[in-house]
Amino acid sequence: EVQLVESGGGLVQPGRSLRLACVASGFYYDDYAMHWVRQAPGKGLEWISGISGNSGGVGYADSVKGRFTISRDNAKSSLYLQMNSLRPEDTALYYCVKDIQPIGAAVFDSWGQGALVTVSS
Amino acid sequence: DIQMTQSPSSLSASVGDRVTITCRASQIIDNYLNWYQHKPGKAPKLLIHAALSLQGGVPPRFSGGGSGTRFTLTISSLQPEDFATYYCQQSYTTPWTFGQGTKVEIK
Repeated sequence: EVQLVESGGGLVQPGRSLRLACVASGFYYDDYAMHWVRQAPGKGLEWISGISGNSGGVGYADSVKGRFTISRDNAKSSLYLQMNSLRPEDTALYYCVKDIQPIGAAVFDSWGQGALVTVSS
Repeated sequence: DIQMTQSPSSLSASVGDRVTITCRASQIIDNYLNWYQHKPGKAPKLLIHAALSLQGGVPPRFSGGGSGTRFTLTISSLQPEDFATYYCQQSYTTPWTFGQGTKVEIK
């Protein structure tokens, strides 16, 4: 059974940093691209970043480009999101998401339960 | 960016009803269209990918159709566990974008 468990969320002041982590199990992690998708309170889903299975390809939404960095450690079956210069509009539930292919097909077939990030002074 | 627009934004229906949700893309996306179900407090669930391919374990009352710019998700006979918000998402080009969601409520 695929499991994705996020951690690292919390309350942070505007302008500060936070790092999310996701540990994956139940599948051969190296073989799949991974993504972060967020949902702001009362809003819909927003893809914010993805990374290929071998970390050779990464992508970002314009809303986070230059502030967020995605990375992965295949030896630890882990995905990360380094979030810098946080803004109140980054407040959201952040989902760790598995792709169906190693190079982003962008079909999201497994999701974690989410990590809540609140940006407020 | 490709804009995805769903209609309606919400609907009320009864158990046993046939329900259809429409998703329109701002440009041609061939069949690179996926559907997700999202219940409060739960992780979203992939229902259909490539416009009409049912994901494993998803009941056959769910079906997808369309290509190009217009797509549909149909629930042939609505069940109590189907009350949720449904999202379409294009996987044609980055940034991967979602529709705004369609909330299916109990009448």
